[in-house]
Parts: sequence; C-alpha cells; structure tokens
Amino acid sequence: GQQVMQIPQYQHVQEGEDFTTYCNSSTTLSNIQWYKQRPGGHPVFLIQLVKSGEVKKQKRLTFQFGEAKKNSSLHITATQTTDVGTYFCAGKPSNTGKLIFGQGTTLQVKP
Amino acid sequence: NAGVTQTPKFRVLKTGQSMTLLCAQDMNHEYMYWYRQDPGMGLRLIHYSVGEGTTAKGEVPDGYNVSRLKKQNFLLGLESAAPSQTSVYFCASNKQGATEAFFGQGTRLTVV
Repeated sequence: GQQVMQIPQYQHVQEGEDFTTYCNSSTTLSNIQWYKQRPGGHPVFLIQLVKSGEVKKQKRLTFQFGEAKKNSSLHITATQTTDVGTYFCAGKPSNTGKLIFGQGTTLQVKP
Repeated sequence: NAGVTQTPKFRVLKTGQSMTLLCAQDMNHEYMYWYRQDPGMGLRLIHYSVGEGTTAKGEVPDGYNVSRLKKQNFLLGLESAAPSQTSVYFCASNKQGATEAFFGQGTRLTVV
C-alpha cells in the first residue's frame, strides 16, 4: 500500500547543532505537509509544499520537496531547546483523499 | 472558534466493551480523519471521510467503524474493545483540496 517513511526515528543534538529529518513516499504526492507535536500535545501544522523542487524557509527551518514529489526534508539550523518535539511529514497521494503521515522524528535538544 | 473537539479525553475500557469517540469541527471542513498514535508508529490512519455520508478505510481499519451523518461530526466506534486498541486517538479535519489539517486534543484510551 501507500507508505510514507521518515528517518531517523530519534535524534539527540546539543543546542546549537543542526538537525535534519527525511521523508520518502512510495508514491507520488500531490503535496507534502510538515507538522510539529510537542510532548503531550497534538500535531500542529508548520508548512505545505506543493511544487516539484520547492524550497521554503521559516526562520531557522528549511523545507524541501523533491523533484519527483516523492521525498522531502526538514532542516533546522542551530537548534534551540524550544525545537524539542516530534516532527511529522504527511502526504496526500495523488487522486486520493487520504492524508498519510510518516512515523515521525523525535528531536531532543540538550542545553 | 473551538476548532476540532474530541470527547472524551480519557477512557478506560474492559476487553469486549464498546464505545464511541466523537469528533466535532466548527470550520465547515469537508474532510475528516481518525488516527491512532502508538510509540514508534507515528500517526496511522484508521478511517477518513471526504464528505457528509461518505467514509473510507485507512491503513488500520480493522476493529473500528465510523459514521459521518452530519458534516461537522465524525464518530469512531469500537464494537468489542481489545488491549491492542490501547492508544491515543486523534481526529483531524481540513478543507477539500490539499490544505493544512487541524487536530483535536486527542483521546487517551486504555483497554484492560
């Protein structure tokens, strides 16, 4: 079936280090979305990418959508303790109403 | 706006009992989803709906049923609860098309 794989599952970094999580889909996606879930909370939307090869930035966060619209990445520059949480990618396979999430990457930041 | 509201927030069931989780959204969204979240498994789609009166299976539909009789409500039913259904359940909704999804606060269900 349609799958969205995300790596790594966990990442521990020292505050100030960079962080990247990768997302790969087995099928072409109409778009990719990224969400952040704080411990004990619910997922909150960060951004959506739609175009092939698209790159978007939000302050220290950089999001990319692959040329084939099957993969994506989220890069955080100079992590802060406020970046702690689980980051999920989510994709809607073309011609479906499903919104499929990756397994998530849990980020821990040591001060 | 309340956004997406889930009830109840917590529940403990005995094996074999039934229950219904309610999700209500006040944003006039067409699409609604039920996910379960387990450690290391991410958010897995149980069932979803693209409009009033329509539902479809997601990745892990077995043991669950859903109904969307009204546009604003999406109900998730467990007919005979099993310990494997112990999880945190999230409801989400979004507008038709590829737009951001809004999540409820979650329901923590324990089946003993």
